[in-house]
Amino acid sequence: DIQMTQSPSSLSASVGDRVTITCQASQDISNSLNWYQQKPGKAPKLLIYGASNLETGVPSRFSGSGSVTDFSFTISSLQPEDIATYYCQHYGNLLYTFGQGTKLEIK
Amino acid sequence: EVQLVESGGGLVKPGGSLRLSCVASGLTFNIYSMNWVRQAPGKGLEWVSSISNSGSSISYADSVKGRFTISRDNAKNSLFLQMNSLRAEDTAVYYCARRFCTGGDCYQDYWGQGTLVTVSS
Repeated sequence: DIQMTQSPSSLSASVGDRVTITCQASQDISNSLNWYQQKPGKAPKLLIYGASNLETGVPSRFSGSGSVTDFSFTISSLQPEDIATYYCQHYGNLLYTFGQGTKLEIK
Repeated sequence: EVQLVESGGGLVKPGGSLRLSCVASGLTFNIYSMNWVRQAPGKGLEWVSSISNSGSSISYADSVKGRFTISRDNAKNSLFLQMNSLRAEDTAVYYCARRFCTGGDCYQDYWGQGTLVTVSS
């Protein structure tokens, strides 16, 4: 089974900071990697699919990159409304694996 | 507007059973694969099960294999999760989500609000 290792598990940053989260796959997954945002008490929201494609309606300060085993998710300028937990997700043929999540807080 | 509405959660004793439902509206249900994803209190997201649009292909997480059964009724725009032999570690909010694929990329783009399952004596 493919394992997804996400880091850090928590992160504190200031408004306006550039924030980066990483996700590493245990084997080659090409670009089969999505990123979700989840706010407390809410369902997850898709931000990035296929490693680097921005979902429609998602602000351009969010971006994703990477391939094979190493991926990153970046918020170019942190906003107060970005406070949430972020998850990477590998997708296969009807199979999915989430990373452990990164809880993002405002400093 | 796409809506996914889960129901069927509640309190059940260890070893008991529960059947979750998810009713979809605002989409052509029978052309999409569907998924169940759960989240234990204070924990991360865990994929549980997926079913293809026709119901012919199904997959499960190892943690629920042999105990949970996913199914769908396309005539009623409904997705189900039959959960048997429930354990305390199955306590979670259960979400149904649509699987959308484009250009080889697949993701869950629409999610329900979730239904809470609590397994406790």
